[in-house]
Parts: sequence; structure tokens; C-alpha cells
Amino acid sequence: EADIYQTPRYLVIGTGKKITLECSQTMGHDKMYWYQQDPGMELHLIHYSYGVNSTEKGDLSSESTVSRIRTEHFPLTLESARPSHTSQYLCASSHFQDTDTQYFGPGTRLTVL
Amino acid sequence: QQPVQSPQAVILREGEDAVINCSSSKALYSVHWYRQKHGEAPVFLMILLKGGEQKGHEKISASFNEKKQQSSLYLTASQLSYSGTYFCGTERSNDYKLSFGAGTTVTVRA
Repeated sequence: EADIYQTPRYLVIGTGKKITLECSQTMGHDKMYWYQQDPGMELHLIHYSYGVNSTEKGDLSSESTVSRIRTEHFPLTLESARPSHTSQYLCASSHFQDTDTQYFGPGTRLTVL
Repeated sequence: QQPVQSPQAVILREGEDAVINCSSSKALYSVHWYRQKHGEAPVFLMILLKGGEQKGHEKISASFNEKKQQSSLYLTASQLSYSGTYFCGTERSNDYKLSFGAGTTVTVRA
């Protein structure tokens, strides 16, 4: 059983607000990922990290930023939320080995009004 | 860059079989299969590496044809619990980044 947590699970916020989506894992995984998924659609990688102080942008352009100061924590921040940011955000982590499984958190469903 | 999955959706009766395909135009290092139930996070099913192998997980198995850059997921004697959206995630090199297909929605009816 994978231990990866995301908070909040649901967030409704007004345009222009700054928000941070939290993601934590207790498995000691070095790699962590953020995906964006619209309802019924595919997952798009927006950020990833191979370890502390390592962050990279994913395949889908995103106005969000991430940080990785601690191994277990990989928060995602939107400086100024817009309605176009409304989506589900999924965090995942995996272990540094040849074939690694990505374990997903429960997701944060964000609605920007 | 994202793999192409087919079909988009399939409806089965309990006990029937189905095949889901995942194709890439680029050379692949690995293919990962996940199942996501409505409102839940994706759950890992299995990984297949280049070299062409086949794996099984209960009555769900998969194969990876390296020459065709295609993976197929086989649902055998489907159960109600198999309902969900199946995503393939492809890794082009050993860089631990996955590109996901659009998903195949499987509905199993009694």
C-alpha cells in the first residue's frame, strides 16, 4: 500500500488568489510528479522532480511552480488562479530504480471561479 | 508524443474478453498500465520493458511488441470490478517520465 497524500482534496477559489496544493509521501521515494487531468481525459505531466532541489517542467505547459526542499514534500503553487486552471491535479511518486511504479495520490480537484 | 489508445470505450458482459491497444510512434523503453475508477486515483497494474515480454495480473495480462512499439492489455473473463478507465503510460528512455494515452473506458455489466 502506497502512502502518498494530497491536500486539500477539493478547493473552490476565486480568480487571482494564490494557492498551494500539497503533496507528501512517506515512502522515501526520490522521484515525484504532478499531473493535470480534466474529467474523462488523459493525464498530462506538468512538473517532476528527481530529488531534493531538482525540479523540471513536464510536457504540458503550466503556469504553476513547484519546489522540492524535502524528499517527502512536493508542493505546487499557482500565484494567481484563473478559471482555466480548473482541473484535477494528481501527485505521484516513484523509487529510483530501473523499473519503477508510480504511486498516485488521491488528487486535488480545483475549481477557480 | 502521447501514445494512442484504442478503442476509446468498450462495454462487456461479465465473463467476456477484451483487448486494449496502446501504440507509439517513437521507440519505447517501457509501457506502464494503470486503471482508474471514477473519482479515484490511477492504480498501477503492470510494467512491460522493451525486449518484448508478457505479464499477467490475475486475469489481466499484457504484452509489449517492441518492433511495433505497441502494447496490448488483455482482460480475460471480465468481472464487474474490471470497470474503469485504463491508461497506458509510455516511457521513451530510461528517464522515468511517462506520457499517458487518452484512456479506454471499460464497462462490465452483469
